[in-house]
Amino acid sequence: AQSVAQPEDQVNVAEGNPLTVKCTYSVSGNPYLFWYVQYPNRGLQFLLKYITGDNLVKGSYGFEAEFNKSQTSFHLKKPSALVSDSALYFCAVRDFSGGYQKVTFGTGTKLQVIP
Amino acid sequence: GAVVSQHPSWVICKSGTSVKIECRSLDFQATTMFWYRQFPKQSLMLMATSNEGSKATYEQGVEKDKFLINHASLTLSTLTVTSAHPEDSSFYICSARVRDRVSYEQYFGPGTRLTVT
Repeated sequence: AQSVAQPEDQVNVAEGNPLTVKCTYSVSGNPYLFWYVQYPNRGLQFLLKYITGDNLVKGSYGFEAEFNKSQTSFHLKKPSALVSDSALYFCAVRDFSGGYQKVTFGTGTKLQVIP
Repeated sequence: GAVVSQHPSWVICKSGTSVKIECRSLDFQATTMFWYRQFPKQSLMLMATSNEGSKATYEQGVEKDKFLINHASLTLSTLTVTSAHPEDSSFYICSARVRDRVSYEQYFGPGTRLTVT
């Protein structure tokens, strides 16, 4: 079975400071990893994905994520937070081993950027 | 590109009635669509996976007779909540898979807020 853990329910960061939203995963095969952002009463918006290749993935709105296989982590980062980044962030994993197709989402982390 | 729409964006219905929610992929063909349910301050719970032209695959614990899913075309899937009850009130989100060579990426609709009174 595959799983995703987002250990922090909420992350607070001052505007202009770097931010990190943590995610760890568990899969039996090679992971496909995703980050999504959700604004209130809205669907999820895709931020970035890791499939293969460079461990540092760059995505939308200045976000990036670092894939660390040894630590089974895929933390989301941004060098300088904006108030408009305040939202709910979901990490997701898809295990392609054996043709398993389902995407599993983490419980979400609320990011609050303080002006 | 890869835009997914949902209609309606919000709906209020009386207990015992049925509600249909539409999910459309606007600029691509989606052979697979997913329906999720999200409770306040919680993650997305996959309800079912639908493939065009075939029956939906429901997750364990989801009542297939209550949540009817139809994927009649490559751009449209519908979720019908039958005999709705207040406990069915939730945020329903659909997602469509963009089939490319590598990632089979999913794009999400804006969601439908269902309130059953």
